[in-house]
This record gives sequence, C-alpha cells and structure tokens, in this order.
Amino acid sequence: ETGVTQSPTHLIKTRGQQVTLRCSSQSGHNTVSWYQQALGQGPQFIFQYYREEENGRGNFPPRFSGLQFPNYSSELNVNALELDDSALYLCASSLGQPSLNEKLFFGSGTQLSVL
Amino acid sequence: AQRVTQPEKLLSVFKGAPVELKCNYSYSGSPELFWYVQYSRQRLQLLLRHISRESIKGFTADLNKGETSFHLKKPFAQEEDSAMYYCALSGNTPLVFGKGTRLSVIA
Repeated sequence: ETGVTQSPTHLIKTRGQQVTLRCSSQSGHNTVSWYQQALGQGPQFIFQYYREEENGRGNFPPRFSGLQFPNYSSELNVNALELDDSALYLCASSLGQPSLNEKLFFGSGTQLSVL
Repeated sequence: AQRVTQPEKLLSVFKGAPVELKCNYSYSGSPELFWYVQYSRQRLQLLLRHISRESIKGFTADLNKGETSFHLKKPFAQEEDSAMYYCALSGNTPLVFGKGTRLSVIA
C-alpha cells in the first residue's frame, strides 16, 4: 500500500568503505526523510529532502549525505564507514511540505552491517 | 531539545485486559504527537496522531500538556495488537522517536 521501496535489503561492508542506499518514494510524495535505527532503539532522524533540496538535518556527521531526484527516488551515501554505522536505515516519504507534518510512509529498510 | 521517553521496553498483558503504553515528551513549544506501530514482518506505519483525535483499532491517546504525556490506551487488548509501538514528537524539527515498547498480548 505504501509504495516506498528500498534497496538493497541487506548489505555488508568493511570499515572505511563507502555505501549508497536507495529509496523510491511513493509517486507524488515530495518529501523524503532518512532514519537510522540501531538495534533496540527507535528511528533516529538523519536528514530530510523536499523537492531535491535538503530541508533539515539531524545530529549526524557530514560523511552522511543525500540526494533526491525529480523521479521521487533518493539516495543516502555514507563515506568512511565505521562499525557504529551498522544499523537499519529507513526511508520515509510524505505527500506535502515538511512543515505540514504529514503522515510518513516507511520503506522496509536496508540492514547495513559494517565489519 | 526535543525528547521522547517510553519507559517500558516490554509490556505483557492478557487478552481482554486494558492496555496503556506510556509516552512522555520534552518540548518547550506546542508539539505534535504521534504513535507509530510495527507489526511482525511489516513496516513501520502510523497508528494515530493527536490532532486528528481518532480512535484507530480501538486505541486512543490524549495529549496531556500539564504532564507532558501522550499515553496510548485500549480498553480490551487483542492478540493482533502484539507489536512494537513507537511514540514520536514533531516540534521544530522532523519526527523524534522514542525507543519503543514491545506489546505482547497473551491468549
């Protein structure tokens, strides 16, 4: 029903490598947010994009970066991977402007393991 | 700073018993509060938000600004309510989530 898809579902990387995670938002959803969910924790906000511009950022270092494309897809890039980056990464899209705090539609996530 | 606290990691109740999942928040302005739920092998989804004042699947939540709480309640628990529940707050930033409470309804 939600139409938010993420790829890959699982990924294993080694420390120091770079990774790109992908998300395809529901058609017409102009806002996309990325969250990191460590084991036993709630989702933690990384950043948000609205119409291809970064609209807000959580407490994550610059090596976490993103892109949003006109076709409602987006990417999360992480450089210089660290062991603590191991987590489930969630993409969530919403229909309207970020300030409207509309319902978020989540993807199933990408499980990243850094060895 | 915005913060959401869910004091219980796990809550077990018998079928038919009342349920209350606790959520306390910290925010100096006027917050918007949400409950999200994740059923087994499903993705995270919105259960309810306080501004809509809806009852979804028998669950209700009242925003108590004096106690800074947004507890989730249901008078009679069902087995299908077993899931992970997250309280979330939106203030001047996008959603901040609590750590979640796992509800287990025992038949």
